[in-house]
Amino acid sequence: NAGVTQTPKFQVLKTGQSMTLQCAQDMNHNSMYWYRQDPGMGLRLIYYSASEGTTDKGEVPNGYNVSRLNKREFSLRLESAAPSQTSVYFCASSIAGGTLRSTDTQYFGPGTRLTVL
Amino acid sequence: ILNVEQSPQSLHVQEGDSTNFTCSFPSSNFYALHWYRWETAKSPEALFVMTLNGDEKKKGRISATLNTKEGYSYLYIKGSQPEDSATYLCASGNTGKLIFGQGTTLQVKP
Repeated sequence: NAGVTQTPKFQVLKTGQSMTLQCAQDMNHNSMYWYRQDPGMGLRLIYYSASEGTTDKGEVPNGYNVSRLNKREFSLRLESAAPSQTSVYFCASSIAGGTLRSTDTQYFGPGTRLTVL
Repeated sequence: ILNVEQSPQSLHVQEGDSTNFTCSFPSSNFYALHWYRWETAKSPEALFVMTLNGDEKKKGRISATLNTKEGYSYLYIKGSQPEDSATYLCASGNTGKLIFGQGTTLQVKP
């Protein structure tokens, strides 16, 4: 039981390059999330998916797209990377489906450290 | 947007010291308060979810209290050990989406 896995662990991009961050969970959770973590700031929600087939914007969605490929997988795409997107990206999942619940524990992956030059 | 604040930003203590830090959140329309522990190069790990005013939770040497009327939660660590060194995050939300504080980084010196 791996929990939440993310690939890659590290990535360096040049400005304007694109890439997709992959996330998968094996806990049969319905909701999945993408956050970014910057020094001195809390985790900020980029996008979330409350159930398979739905995605919604979070606090900082600009410059990103997401795909909920199936119940297990939720990917984050940077179409044209910018230095401001240098960050650590975390994927998380929680059990509730359809409607997010503030009481649900979120389970996090190990993060992807992305540098954009 | 909900604002969640943590203090202090960082803390250095000696092994064996007890310590505590604070999470502040808006008290109106409160639903839940989460505490997470995040060790460097690892995933943030859930410690507690608290929902009721006056809630107290405990896990080993770590405990937390909740005051929803005044909008704060305290996290206490009794007899800190080097393995307690981590960043402690709190988060709150009333729409299902959690808003995280910036974290308190604890360093425990042997």
